[in-house]
Amino acid sequence: QVQLTQSGAEVKEPGSWVKVSCKASGGTFSGYSFSWVRQAPGQGLEWMGGIVPIFHIAKYAQKFQDRLMITADESSSTVYMELSSLRPEDMAVYYCARGQYQLLSGWFDPWGQGSLVTVSS
Amino acid sequence: DILMTQSPATLSVSPGDRATLSCRASQSVRSNLAWYQQKPGQAPRLLIYGASTRATGIPARFSGSGSGTEFTLTISSLQSGDFAVYYCQQYNSWPDTFGPGTKVDIK
Repeated sequence: QVQLTQSGAEVKEPGSWVKVSCKASGGTFSGYSFSWVRQAPGQGLEWMGGIVPIFHIAKYAQKFQDRLMITADESSSTVYMELSSLRPEDMAVYYCARGQYQLLSGWFDPWGQGSLVTVSS
Repeated sequence: DILMTQSPATLSVSPGDRATLSCRASQSVRSNLAWYQQKPGQAPRLLIYGASTRATGIPARFSGSGSGTEFTLTISSLQSGDFAVYYCQQYNSWPDTFGPGTKVDIK
Protein backbone atom coordinates (compact mmCIF):
# COMPACT_ATOMS: atom_id res chain seq x y z
CA GLN A 1 0.00 0.00 0.00
CA VAL A 2 1.49 3.29 -1.09
CA GLN A 3 2.55 5.77 1.58
CA LEU A 4 3.44 9.41 0.96
CA THR A 5 6.07 11.02 3.18
CA GLN A 6 6.57 14.76 2.96
CA SER A 7 9.46 16.97 3.95
CA GLY A 8 9.38 18.93 7.17
CA ALA A 9 8.12 22.33 8.22
CA GLU A 10 9.59 25.45 6.68
CA VAL A 11 9.80 29.07 7.77
CA LYS A 12 10.24 31.51 4.93
CA GLU A 13 10.39 35.26 4.48
CA PRO A 14 7.91 37.08 2.24
CA GLY A 15 9.14 37.22 -1.35
CA SER A 16 11.18 34.03 -1.06
CA TRP A 17 10.33 30.54 -2.32
CA VAL A 18 9.77 27.13 -0.79
CA LYS A 19 10.20 23.62 -2.13
CA VAL A 20 8.37 20.72 -0.51
CA SER A 21 9.00 17.09 -1.37
CA CYS A 22 6.71 14.07 -1.27
CA LYS A 23 8.19 10.58 -1.50
CA ALA A 24 6.05 7.59 -2.39
CA SER A 25 6.90 4.21 -0.98
CA GLY A 26 5.35 0.77 -0.73
CA GLY A 27 3.34 0.92 -3.90
CA THR A 28 3.14 1.94 -7.51
CA PHE A 29 4.42 5.40 -8.44
CA SER A 30 4.64 5.21 -12.19
CA GLY A 31 1.50 6.10 -14.10
CA TYR A 32 -0.37 7.78 -11.26
CA SER A 33 -1.01 11.47 -10.88
CA PHE A 34 -0.02 13.45 -7.83
CA SER A 35 -1.58 16.69 -6.67
CA TRP A 36 -0.83 19.36 -4.12
CA VAL A 37 -3.61 20.65 -1.90
CA ARG A 38 -3.14 23.33 0.70
CA GLN A 39 -5.03 24.27 3.84
CA ALA A 40 -4.64 27.65 5.49
CA PRO A 41 -5.07 27.75 9.29
CA GLY A 42 -8.67 26.98 10.19
CA GLN A 43 -9.70 26.93 6.55
CA GLY A 44 -10.76 24.38 3.93
CA LEU A 45 -8.91 22.52 1.21
CA GLU A 46 -7.59 24.17 -1.95
CA TRP A 47 -6.29 22.24 -4.95
CA MET A 48 -3.17 23.91 -6.32
CA GLY A 49 -1.99 21.73 -9.14
CA GLY A 50 -0.93 18.27 -10.16
CA ILE A 51 1.40 16.19 -12.28
CA VAL A 52 1.35 12.92 -14.14
CA PRO A 53 5.05 11.99 -13.95
CA ILE A 54 4.97 9.40 -16.69
CA PHE A 55 3.71 11.98 -19.17
CA HIS A 56 5.76 14.87 -17.74
CA ILE A 57 2.54 16.88 -17.71
CA ALA A 58 1.79 19.35 -14.91
CA LYS A 59 -1.29 21.50 -14.58
CA TYR A 60 -1.91 24.38 -12.20
CA ALA A 61 -4.90 26.21 -10.82
CA GLN A 62 -5.09 29.60 -12.45
CA LYS A 63 -4.52 31.29 -9.10
CA PHE A 64 -1.02 29.79 -8.89
CA GLN A 65 -0.18 29.67 -12.58
CA ASP A 66 2.67 32.17 -12.46
CA ARG A 67 4.47 31.09 -9.29
CA LEU A 68 3.92 27.35 -8.82
CA MET A 69 6.02 24.54 -10.24
CA ILE A 70 5.37 20.86 -9.69
CA THR A 71 7.99 18.37 -10.76
CA ALA A 72 8.67 14.69 -10.29
CA ASP A 73 11.68 12.40 -10.13
CA GLU A 74 10.58 8.92 -11.15
CA SER A 75 13.92 7.40 -10.19
CA SER A 76 13.25 8.27 -6.54
CA SER A 77 9.43 8.19 -6.65
CA THR A 78 9.36 11.77 -5.40
CA VAL A 79 7.16 14.70 -6.33
CA TYR A 80 8.10 18.30 -5.60
CA MET A 81 6.11 21.50 -5.15
CA GLU A 82 7.89 24.81 -5.50
CA LEU A 83 6.02 28.01 -4.69
CA SER A 84 7.71 31.34 -5.27
CA SER A 85 7.04 34.98 -4.35
CA LEU A 86 5.70 33.85 -0.99
CA ARG A 87 3.17 36.05 0.78
CA PRO A 88 1.90 35.90 4.36
CA GLU A 89 -1.35 34.41 3.05
CA ASP A 90 0.59 31.43 1.68
CA MET A 91 1.05 30.23 5.24
CA ALA A 92 -0.65 26.85 5.23
CA VAL A 93 -0.24 23.12 5.52
CA TYR A 94 0.63 21.73 2.11
CA TYR A 95 -0.46 18.19 1.32
CA CYS A 96 0.51 15.93 -1.53
CA ALA A 97 -1.99 13.30 -2.55
CA ARG A 98 -2.07 10.54 -5.11
CA GLY A 99 -4.72 10.82 -7.75
CA GLN A 100 -5.85 8.56 -10.49
CA TYR A 101 -3.99 6.43 -12.98
CA GLN A 102 -2.91 8.68 -15.85
CA LEU A 103 -5.58 11.27 -14.97
CA LEU A 104 -5.08 14.59 -13.26
CA SER A 105 -8.68 14.79 -12.12
CA GLY A 106 -10.13 12.36 -9.65
CA TRP A 107 -10.26 11.47 -6.04
CA PHE A 108 -7.18 11.58 -3.84
CA ASP A 109 -5.93 8.62 -1.89
CA PRO A 110 -3.66 8.45 -0.01
CA TRP A 111 -2.45 11.79 1.32
CA GLY A 112 0.88 12.78 2.76
CA GLN A 113 1.10 13.89 6.36
CA GLY A 114 1.31 17.56 5.41
CA SER A 115 4.09 20.15 5.53
CA LEU A 116 3.57 23.42 7.38
CA VAL A 117 4.93 26.45 5.58
CA THR A 118 5.13 29.61 7.67
CA VAL A 119 5.69 32.90 5.88
CA SER A 120 6.93 35.59 8.20
CA SER A 121 9.53 38.30 8.33
CA ASP B 1 -14.76 26.88 -11.55
CA ILE B 2 -17.51 24.76 -10.05
CA LEU B 3 -18.57 26.07 -6.65
CA MET B 4 -19.22 23.45 -4.00
CA THR B 5 -21.33 24.27 -0.97
CA GLN B 6 -21.96 22.12 2.09
CA SER B 7 -24.62 22.24 4.75
CA PRO B 8 -24.87 22.56 7.58
CA ALA B 9 -21.60 24.18 8.54
CA THR B 10 -21.77 22.43 11.90
CA LEU B 11 -23.82 19.39 12.86
CA SER B 12 -24.21 18.43 16.50
CA VAL B 13 -25.01 14.76 16.91
CA SER B 14 -25.15 12.31 19.80
CA PRO B 15 -23.09 9.12 19.60
CA GLY B 16 -25.18 6.37 18.05
CA ASP B 17 -27.35 8.79 16.11
CA ARG B 18 -27.50 9.21 12.35
CA ALA B 19 -25.79 12.14 10.65
CA THR B 20 -26.78 13.44 7.25
CA LEU B 21 -24.45 15.85 5.47
CA SER B 22 -25.27 17.66 2.24
CA CYS B 23 -23.10 18.84 -0.62
CA ARG B 24 -24.29 20.86 -3.58
CA ALA B 25 -22.50 21.71 -6.84
CA SER B 26 -23.10 24.90 -8.82
CA GLN B 27 -23.50 22.76 -11.95
CA SER B 28 -23.77 19.08 -12.66
CA VAL B 29 -20.77 16.97 -11.74
CA ARG B 30 -22.56 13.73 -12.65
CA SER B 31 -21.30 11.15 -10.11
CA ASN B 32 -17.76 12.53 -9.99
CA LEU B 33 -17.83 13.38 -6.32
CA ALA B 34 -15.71 12.28 -3.37
CA TRP B 35 -16.05 12.67 0.39
CA TYR B 36 -13.18 13.02 2.87
CA GLN B 37 -12.92 12.96 6.63
CA GLN B 38 -10.39 15.14 8.41
CA LYS B 39 -9.56 15.01 12.10
CA PRO B 40 -7.60 17.78 13.86
CA GLY B 41 -3.92 17.70 13.00
CA GLN B 42 -4.38 14.94 10.44
CA ALA B 43 -4.49 14.75 6.67
CA PRO B 44 -7.85 14.16 4.98
CA ARG B 45 -8.89 10.54 4.49
CA LEU B 46 -10.87 9.35 1.49
CA LEU B 47 -14.26 7.91 2.43
CA ILE B 48 -16.32 7.81 -0.74
CA TYR B 49 -15.66 8.23 -4.45
CA GLY B 50 -17.94 8.04 -7.44
CA ALA B 51 -20.59 9.57 -5.15
CA SER B 52 -21.41 6.22 -3.54
CA THR B 53 -18.45 3.82 -3.58
CA ARG B 54 -16.73 3.32 -0.23
CA ALA B 55 -12.96 3.49 -0.28
CA THR B 56 -10.93 0.53 0.92
CA GLY B 57 -11.31 -0.05 4.64
CA ILE B 58 -14.17 2.39 5.18
CA PRO B 59 -16.89 1.00 7.45
CA ALA B 60 -20.33 0.32 6.04
CA ARG B 61 -21.90 2.92 8.34
CA PHE B 62 -20.61 5.53 5.86
CA SER B 63 -22.72 5.81 2.72
CA GLY B 64 -22.92 8.30 -0.10
CA SER B 65 -25.70 9.07 -2.52
CA GLY B 66 -26.73 11.57 -5.16
CA SER B 67 -25.76 12.67 -8.64
CA GLY B 68 -25.81 15.82 -10.70
CA THR B 69 -25.80 18.69 -8.23
CA GLU B 70 -27.09 17.21 -4.96
CA PHE B 71 -25.18 14.75 -2.80
CA THR B 72 -25.49 13.29 0.67
CA LEU B 73 -23.10 11.59 3.04
CA THR B 74 -24.83 9.55 5.72
CA ILE B 75 -23.20 8.16 8.83
CA SER B 76 -25.69 5.64 10.13
CA SER B 77 -24.59 5.40 13.76
CA LEU B 78 -21.97 7.86 14.88
CA GLN B 79 -19.03 6.53 16.80
CA SER B 80 -16.56 8.57 18.83
CA GLY B 81 -13.97 8.48 16.04
CA ASP B 82 -16.41 9.96 13.53
CA PHE B 83 -16.44 13.42 15.04
CA ALA B 84 -14.45 15.35 12.48
CA VAL B 85 -14.77 17.71 9.52
CA TYR B 86 -16.13 16.27 6.27
CA TYR B 87 -15.34 17.70 2.83
CA CYS B 88 -16.84 16.96 -0.55
CA GLN B 89 -14.83 17.32 -3.75
CA GLN B 90 -15.93 17.38 -7.37
CA TYR B 91 -13.63 16.05 -10.03
CA ASN B 92 -15.92 16.29 -13.04
CA SER B 93 -14.58 19.61 -14.31
CA TRP B 94 -11.09 21.02 -14.02
CA PRO B 95 -10.01 22.36 -11.62
CA ASP B 96 -11.11 19.97 -8.93
CA THR B 97 -12.84 21.93 -6.19
CA PHE B 98 -13.71 21.23 -2.57
CA GLY B 99 -16.62 22.27 -0.44
CA PRO B 100 -16.01 24.35 2.70
CA GLY B 101 -16.64 21.40 4.99
CA THR B 102 -19.15 20.29 7.61
CA LYS B 103 -17.95 19.90 11.18
CA VAL B 104 -19.63 17.05 13.02
CA ASP B 105 -19.33 17.54 16.75
CA ILE B 106 -20.68 15.91 19.86
CA LYS B 107 -24.10 17.03 21.04
